[in-house]
Amino acid sequence: EAGVAQSPRYKIIEKRQSVAFWCNPISGHATLYWYQQILGQGPKLLIQFQNNGVVDDSQLPKDRFSAERLKGVDSTLKIQPAKLEDSAVYLCASSLDFRSDTGELFFGEGSRLTVL
Amino acid sequence: AQTVTQSQPEMSVQEAETVTLSCTYDTSENNYYLFWYKQPPSRQMILVIRQEAYKQQNATENRFSVNFQKAAKSFSLKISDSQLGDTAMYFCALNNNDMRFGAGTRLTVKP
Repeated sequence: EAGVAQSPRYKIIEKRQSVAFWCNPISGHATLYWYQQILGQGPKLLIQFQNNGVVDDSQLPKDRFSAERLKGVDSTLKIQPAKLEDSAVYLCASSLDFRSDTGELFFGEGSRLTVL
Repeated sequence: AQTVTQSQPEMSVQEAETVTLSCTYDTSENNYYLFWYKQPPSRQMILVIRQEAYKQQNATENRFSVNFQKAAKSFSLKISDSQLGDTAMYFCALNNNDMRFGAGTRLTVKP
């Protein structure tokens, strides 16, 4: 079974530029999550999708971050314009269905962003 | 609001010995799941062990076991017979419709 795929693995940009990250969850997983993990900290939930709908985006900085999952499968997270404090690893995770599954999340390898 | 607290930023243990990582949490819900995830250096997050809040019996997975105290909202992880490959960041997490993580404990297993 293929795992959660993320790209790119690494990205270096200058502040005020834009960047986009892509995630393809495990086949059949309805729930998709984007987390931000700053060095030395635990992952912080940015947004949670159920199919193509948003369940929780309360911690997403909506003035610069956006995310979509238009067809309910893969997802894109965009940052525009980037700030220095956005340097982090962006983790994508998926689960079968947050309403009824065991609660276990399956993670991708992450996309490491460095903002100069 | 759900919160997860890990009060031990770093810990170390000698190979083959036992170590316990602490975690406390706060939630107003009665049904939820608790997890310990392991994140090796530069590698992806993987599940170590899971506990369902409605089950009183503590979960065990080979060398890994938990001490779940629901009333105290405590969920510690015990690693027995520590191995060099156990060196990693360990995150405690609480899931009740969305997964919240603690700040992590960096565990180093020394030869």
